[in-house]
Amino acid sequence: EAGVTQFPSHSVIEKGQTVTLRCDPISGHDNLYWYRRVMGKEIKFLLHFVKESKQDESGMPNNRFLAERTGGTYSTLKVQPAELEDSGVYFCASSQDFSSGNTIYFGEGSWLTVV
Amino acid sequence: AQSVTQPDIHITVSEGASLELRCNYSYGATPYLFWYVQSPGQGLQLLLKYFSGDTLVQGIKGFEAEFKRSQSSFNLRKPSVHWSDAAEYFCAVEIAEGGGADGLTFGKGTHLIIQP
Repeated sequence: EAGVTQFPSHSVIEKGQTVTLRCDPISGHDNLYWYRRVMGKEIKFLLHFVKESKQDESGMPNNRFLAERTGGTYSTLKVQPAELEDSGVYFCASSQDFSSGNTIYFGEGSWLTVV
Repeated sequence: AQSVTQPDIHITVSEGASLELRCNYSYGATPYLFWYVQSPGQGLQLLLKYFSGDTLVQGIKGFEAEFKRSQSSFNLRKPSVHWSDAAEYFCAVEIAEGGGADGLTFGKGTHLIIQP
């Protein structure tokens, strides 16, 4: 069974450009999460989808970030325009149901560098 | 708001020696507790988790962790480390509110270095 897959694994873009990160959750997982780790900081929660609906987007840093999950399958996270402080690792995760303590499976991350 | 503290940024251990990584959380109620590991170039892998019951939980790769309510701690241990254990380790908590799952709150991570 395939795990959570993310694309691209690495991306280097210039300040002001746009980048779109994609996440394919484990098949059948209704819950999809985005997290981010900026250099030297903690891994921070960004948002949580239940199927195609945004359950919680309290962690999204600002309106330059847009997450979508059309059809409740894969998700994209767009950063437009990118700023230097957006550099970091973006993790996607998924879980099967919406219950506390349910195991959350993480992808390998998308490493973003903004120059 | 809840917080997770991993006081050790780096730890160096000799191969074959025992290991303990510290984790403390700050929250009024008992949260769900997790340890994840990230090996170089890899994603986050769940080592173990605590929900309730026995406060000593066993995980993969020979790791275990003990929940101590009085100390608000969830330290990770391994009796004998292997060179392949070199990685970054993250403690995380999940607070269940309203009957549903919220996002994980992570500590800053501890880099484990294994020396021959």
